[in-house]
Amino acid sequence: QVQLQQWGAGLLKPSETLSLTCGVYGESLSGYSWSWIRQSPGRGLEWIGEIHYSGSTTYSPSLKSRVTMSIDTSKDQFSLKLSSVTAADTAVYYCARNSTEYLFDFWGQGTLVTVSS
Amino acid sequence: QSVLTQPPSASGTPGQRVTISCSGNTSNIGTYYVYWYQQLPGAAPKLLIYRDNQRPSGVPDRFSGSKSGTSASLAISGLRSEDEADYFCAAWHDSLSGRWVFGGGTKLTVL
Repeated sequence: QVQLQQWGAGLLKPSETLSLTCGVYGESLSGYSWSWIRQSPGRGLEWIGEIHYSGSTTYSPSLKSRVTMSIDTSKDQFSLKLSSVTAADTAVYYCARNSTEYLFDFWGQGTLVTVSS
Repeated sequence: QSVLTQPPSASGTPGQRVTISCSGNTSNIGTYYVYWYQQLPGAAPKLLIYRDNQRPSGVPDRFSGSKSGTSASLAISGLRSEDEADYFCAAWHDSLSGRWVFGGGTKLTVL
């Protein structure tokens, strides 16, 4: 059974960079794309972007200028960096798997990221 | 303001059939598959329906999806107390730069 486990800093100050990593267990990264999604009371569920196991990326247009995703197939991990955060970036961040047939069929446990001075 | 529109709430009594709608346009639901998710309190969303009306293994056949034009629906029959959760629809949105979009979510209450 595939499991996604994510980790990273939960409290940031404005202008800092959010950094999260998602480890994939029970399945190789190969053959799939891997997404980051966030959820907040004000914005609901918001797709941030995805990275293919080959390393190609697709980012949400609204966040593209601040997002960087990377992947390490040797460690079965992928990561998210979001620069210049503000209070509006406060949310629960999830990692999730995409396949050609399913969409977001496995999710990480979620990480609450709070941006506050 | 979500790209896909869902009613904020729905309710039903045990055993009833409930439907939740998801409205979009030709840039999303009208052209691409719809997916549905169930989110229990404090948990990550769980894939319930994929490709408009397909159930992943393990999802009871009480859950069914349909689509017509630019709208989609999730139906839950034989409602149970454990179905009380938030439900979200999702689809690809093809604009100048495509992205996955979600509905605002529907809170289902089992009375």
